[in-house]
Amino acid sequence: LAKTTQPISMDSYEGQEVNITCSHNNIATNDYITWYQQFPSQGPRFIIQGYKTKVTNEVASLFIPADRKSSTLSLPRVSLSDTAVYYCLVGDIMDSSYKLIFGSGTRLLVRP
Amino acid sequence: EAGVTQFPSHSVIEKGQTVTLRCDPISGHDNLYWYRRVMGKEIKFLLHFVKESKQDESGMPNNRFLAERTGGTYSTLKVQPAELEDSGVYFCASSQDSPTWLAGIETQYFGPGTRLLVL
Repeated sequence: LAKTTQPISMDSYEGQEVNITCSHNNIATNDYITWYQQFPSQGPRFIIQGYKTKVTNEVASLFIPADRKSSTLSLPRVSLSDTAVYYCLVGDIMDSSYKLIFGSGTRLLVRP
Repeated sequence: EAGVTQFPSHSVIEKGQTVTLRCDPISGHDNLYWYRRVMGKEIKFLLHFVKESKQDESGMPNNRFLAERTGGTYSTLKVQPAELEDSGVYFCASSQDSPTWLAGIETQYFGPGTRLLVL
């Protein structure tokens, strides 16, 4: 099982770019890297997923170096509503069951 | 399109009682997952259904927990008898296609969770 390590918390201000880096040294060849966002009293919500290089969608960008031992979630121009917990997950596929393995996540606080 | 719904949103019961949680996945999603977060801990996988079949139940903590998915639609998770350490938030998630690494990973859509408190 690939274990992920990410900062416990981060602070930012509105309008700034936020980069959250996750380490996953034991990532397996067939593992994807996925980021979820969770607001209080809600379930986690998918943000972005990638396998290698760079992936971008309307919400965020995900940077993955060639060795895939880390990844960086980039949130451009954050707003107060981006205050949430962000989870970096590495997939564990066994027998067609993709169970998400959550770590403690990174609590992002966006200040005015 | 309606998302994943869970019922009830909150439940407070006494130790030894029975509680049944319900999850309605997104229509057409064959995969249904249960997760939970107990106080101060991380979100942990419980089990995975593909339609009505249990694909992986390696995360179920003990035989006091029983999950069913009749007809491959909604799912229930029964805790009987409930213990204090069962308190936490129980999440349900669903996804459309079976995961294979060649095809990439299907996004799992989570419900809002059921907050269970056992006194």
